[in-house]
Amino acid sequence: GESVGLHLPTLSVQEGDNSIINCAYSNSASDYFIWYKQESGKGPQFIIDIRSNMDKRQGQRVTVLLNKTVKHLSLQIAATQPGDSAVYFCAENIRGSQGNLIFGKGTKLSVKP
Amino acid sequence: GAVVSQHPSRVICKSGTSVKIECRSLDFQATTMFWYRQFPKQSLMLMATSNEGSKATYEQGVEKDKFLINHASLTLSTLTVTSAHPEDSSFYICSAGGPGIQETQYFGPGTRLLVL
Repeated sequence: GESVGLHLPTLSVQEGDNSIINCAYSNSASDYFIWYKQESGKGPQFIIDIRSNMDKRQGQRVTVLLNKTVKHLSLQIAATQPGDSAVYFCAENIRGSQGNLIFGKGTKLSVKP
Repeated sequence: GAVVSQHPSRVICKSGTSVKIECRSLDFQATTMFWYRQFPKQSLMLMATSNEGSKATYEQGVEKDKFLINHASLTLSTLTVTSAHPEDSSFYICSAGGPGIQETQYFGPGTRLLVL
């Protein structure tokens, strides 16, 4: 079946650098996307979302970019901090799917001090 | 806003017993709640979707008689793992969605279940 996937399972960055986490999705009917952060032993925490009628959305230190042409989603974290270390999941919502989210495999972000 | 709690956070039980996990939306009405299961270093796997006042919709391969879900109110859903076995040991996470927050799901902190 169609699913959300990730290019990089692990990402290690230096504190202060920018991080980019990528995600590919395959369902053209997906119209809503969310990035979640999950720290060890905790539930996923909402970071930022974007609808398919947008290409870019910015939050505090985070930016999500959506390229519908190639079905690609990315999360950019500016000035990465040790507290950003976690597993990041992208999730897609397929139009008309009762709100069910399909999660990607996750990318582990490690921030080196 | 959009806070979801789970109880208990951790439970250890003997094989053959049943365990109930509660999921509550604290500051909004959750018309829909979702139950996920997550194994170590893996992504979240949706088990079932429950709407307040109606029967849960289970994903393929999830036994409805083993994982009983009740969504009796707009702020509470429960998952009962019946006759638990060691292979049921996992991290169970609920999420909630509702009017005003569109398709966004807000997650609880998870419940770590260990069946001996």
